Amino acid sequence: QQQVKQSPQSLIVQKGGISIINCAYENTAFDYFPWYQQFPGKGPALLIAIRPDVSEKKEGRFTISFNKSAKQFSLHIMDSQPGDSATYFCAASMGGRRALTFGSGTRLQVQP
Amino acid sequence: DAGVIQSPRHEVTEMGQEVTLRCKPISGHNSLFWYRQTMMRGLELLIYFNNNVPIDDSGMPEDRFSAKMPNASFSTLKIQPSEPRDSAVYFCASIQGSSTGELFFGEGSRLTVL
Repeated sequence: QQQVKQSPQSLIVQKGGISIINCAYENTAFDYFPWYQQFPGKGPALLIAIRPDVSEKKEGRFTISFNKSAKQFSLHIMDSQPGDSATYFCAASMGGRRALTFGSGTRLQVQP
Repeated sequence: DAGVIQSPRHEVTEMGQEVTLRCKPISGHNSLFWYRQTMMRGLELLIYFNNNVPIDDSGMPEDRFSAKMPNASFSTLKIQPSEPRDSAVYFCASIQGSSTGELFFGEGSRLTVL
């Protein structure tokens, strides 16, 4: 019930391309869906987040698409840059339980 | 603000030794989380505190692990005795307020148990 499934495990994209990472969840009580970005040797940092009352949220080159009926959400990185090379985690939490349940992570490599 | 501060950043110890990891959350944040990151299991929640009170410790692997938060500005995660399978990066994170929102993570403590 707490699981968040993430794919793909790794992704290689050419500079300027679109990176797409997908996540699916099971627990319909989840009401907050963030994406975290982690660089080697650092802790995860919030990239962008969405709540289920909207289907899309865009911040710069980063967009979350959310499909409540399918219980899926995805991260799109437009015009991917080598500096975007990192590990990306989707996550979910619910109500008063603010602890995040994380997906397994996607290692993104953007080639110059 | 200095962010979430963790120490030590790196720890190498031998099996059977006691390990204590430390965390200072961001001032004013009232919830604190300990996560463990490994290649095999990803980011796992170990325990979290709200207003210094442990709310959910169901992720603590076994009795060898214990966590305390004696005050709003300090928490410890202790492993006694340590085992090689405890080797991982341990992250502390904190959050402000009572609703869901951004967790701020420290830079982690990399533990190697030989």
